[in-house]
Amino acid sequence: DAGITQSPRHKVTETGTPVTLRCHQTENHRYMYWYRQDPGHGLRLIHYSYGVKDTDKGEVSDGYSVSRSKTEDFLLTLESATSSQTSVYFCAISEDRGLGTEAFFGQGTRLTVV
Amino acid sequence: GQQVMQIPQYQHVQEGEDFTTYCNSSTTLSNIQWYKQRPGGHPVFLIQLVKSGEVKKQKRLTFQFGEAKKNSSLHITATQTTDVGTYFCAGRNTSYGKLTFGQGTILTVHP
Repeated sequence: DAGITQSPRHKVTETGTPVTLRCHQTENHRYMYWYRQDPGHGLRLIHYSYGVKDTDKGEVSDGYSVSRSKTEDFLLTLESATSSQTSVYFCAISEDRGLGTEAFFGQGTRLTVV
Repeated sequence: GQQVMQIPQYQHVQEGEDFTTYCNSSTTLSNIQWYKQRPGGHPVFLIQLVKSGEVKKQKRLTFQFGEAKKNSSLHITATQTTDVGTYFCAGRNTSYGKLTFGQGTILTVHP
């Protein structure tokens, strides 16, 4: 498996509290992604990054922000968690070597907002 | 924006039967990838298709990319219990663009 670590792996938080999820890679890959997975919706892109301090929105970015100050770390922040953000969150990485490359996924973070 | 639709959402088969999942994009794709996610696990890359009409095989798995590069399929011959999981397609409309996933097909194989 690629060197990609998500933390925490599980979290329960209360509505209205801020939450930050961390994705750490040791592969020096350029691209990093945050997805959420919900039954019936597959994997939906929240935000992605194509370099340090270079990020862009995905299809479900409302209520989420990201930061990438170092190549190896990509942080996802829920400024004020809501119950609709209860989900499994996956980080993924991919490198830059032409014609598109595969994404490697972390183990996932199960977030419950109560 | 780009949408990738995948059908069926669920498929139950008896061991030994064949299985096919289909993927359709609202836009022309630069490339399409397929992933498998075992229950409780994370998605794992299976293959990438780039050329129009491309067909690739991995043992019992056959992947196709449509001539118009807007659809794709994954066919499994003679399913086994180890094939259980969710199969996702994922497309890019440029070589380096964001990867958009389909909803996935959950495959159950009854022994």
